[in-house]
Amino acid sequence: AQKITQTQPGMFVQEKEAVTLDCTYDTSDPSYGLFWYKQPSSGEMIFLIYQGSYDQQNATEGRYSLNFQKARKSANLVISASQLGDSAMYFCAMRDAGGTSYGKLTFGQGTILTVHP
Amino acid sequence: DAGVIQSPRHEVTEMGQEVTLRCKPISGHDYLFWYRQTMMRGLELLIYFNNNVPIDDSGMPEDRFSAKMPNASFSTLKIQPSEPRDSAVYFCASIGGVGNTEAFFGQGTRLTVV
Repeated sequence: AQKITQTQPGMFVQEKEAVTLDCTYDTSDPSYGLFWYKQPSSGEMIFLIYQGSYDQQNATEGRYSLNFQKARKSANLVISASQLGDSAMYFCAMRDAGGTSYGKLTFGQGTILTVHP
Repeated sequence: DAGVIQSPRHEVTEMGQEVTLRCKPISGHDYLFWYRQTMMRGLELLIYFNNNVPIDDSGMPEDRFSAKMPNASFSTLKIQPSEPRDSAVYFCASIGGVGNTEAFFGQGTRLTVV
C-alpha cells in the first residue's frame, strides 16, 4: 500500500532564507508521481509542483524545487528566499501509476511552515 | 476553465439530516477524488472515480456516506443521516490521466453538524 510520511510537524525559517520540507514515500510500483500542495490559513489547496518517477531532472517552479532522491524514496520540497506569505501548511502527495492503486492520490500528514520577519 | 467548483461552500445542518455536497470537475479530467480534512485525522481520501466509475471507496467511513458520479461533469457526496463527528472540510479534486501533472482542488465545503 502507498504511504507518505512527513516527519516535521512544524518548521520555522527566517524571511529570505531557504527551507527544506521533508517527504518520504513507500510504493512497490516503479511508476508514480509526486506532488506538493500549499494550504494557507484561508483553507484552499494550492498545487505547487510535480515530479514524475521517471523524470531525470528535479522539478522546479519559480522559488519551489523538488529534491527527488529515488533510491532513498524521498521528495523534499525546497523553498528558496522565503517570504512571509509562504507561511502555511504544506502537503506531500503521491499518485500510483500501477497495480490496484492505479491513479490513487495519497497525502502525507503535512508540515506547518512559519516564516519569521 | 473556472477550476473545480464545489457547492455549497458552507453547510450547517442538524444531526440526523441528509447532507449533499456537490462537485464539478475540470473539463477533460479523468479522475475525481473526494477528501475529508479534520484536525485530528488530517486529509483522508474517501473515494475516487475514474471515468465516472468508483475505483476505491475503502476510505468511506461507513454506510451513511455515499458518492456518485452520474456524468463527467458532476459528482455528489451524500451523508445520511449526518452526525456531529462528520463535521469537517470536504474537498473535491480533479486530475487528468496518470502522468498528467495537473491536480487541482476545489475550494472545499465546510460542514458543521450540530
